[in-house]
Amino acid sequence: GAGVSQSPSNKVTEKGKDVELRCDPISGHTALYWYRQSLGQGLEFLIYFQGNSAPDKSGLPSDRFSAERTGGSVSTLTIQRTQQEDSAVYLCASSLVRGLGNEQFFGPGTRLTVL
Amino acid sequence: DQQVKQNSPSLSVQEGRISILNCDYTNSMFDYFLWYKKYPAEGPTFLISISSIKDKNEDGRFTVFLNKSAKHLSLHIVPSQPGDSAVYFCAASEGGSNYKLTFGKGTLLTVNP
Repeated sequence: GAGVSQSPSNKVTEKGKDVELRCDPISGHTALYWYRQSLGQGLEFLIYFQGNSAPDKSGLPSDRFSAERTGGSVSTLTIQRTQQEDSAVYLCASSLVRGLGNEQFFGPGTRLTVL
Repeated sequence: DQQVKQNSPSLSVQEGRISILNCDYTNSMFDYFLWYKKYPAEGPTFLISISSIKDKNEDGRFTVFLNKSAKHLSLHIVPSQPGDSAVYFCAASEGGSNYKLTFGKGTLLTVNP
């Protein structure tokens, strides 16, 4: 596709359930990022993948959060045992490579609601 | 501790006038700054950026000014158009790279016809 796509667009789940959020980056982009935006807040960095390098997981808020990127393309963000404070819009972005001038292109996000 | 601050949650201007959106930062290690625009139900879209070695960058109707001593940057939109109505996010990164962006909370700009 022309842009970054994410699925589902909306997800409502019950507290304690696991959820998986999917991101399809722009074809050819080697760098992939996950952010989340909680209500009334700015975007918060979660994790970064670059090619075959080890991901930068420094933004993941707890060990309930994990992400993987298969084949250097599609990425899945998994939240285990969801809590109400996990409710947010989860945004994925990709860029050609890491570095100046290689701006991040964002997907439309997945709105997660934990009841 | 918020490292990037956009203290105005909203701004309203008349079509044709100048819009000035402000952003302050506290981390002196930030050396690359970006502005993103976001429409409802869409992801943020890159607008313009500036490196800390510059104090101004211009792209059409959009100009970003950087005052490193004051740790302040601003986005000027001239002339403002109704289609510019959106939430504008200021973002910053450090280490000469463009990843692990730190974002402000955003300013909602409304341009009235």
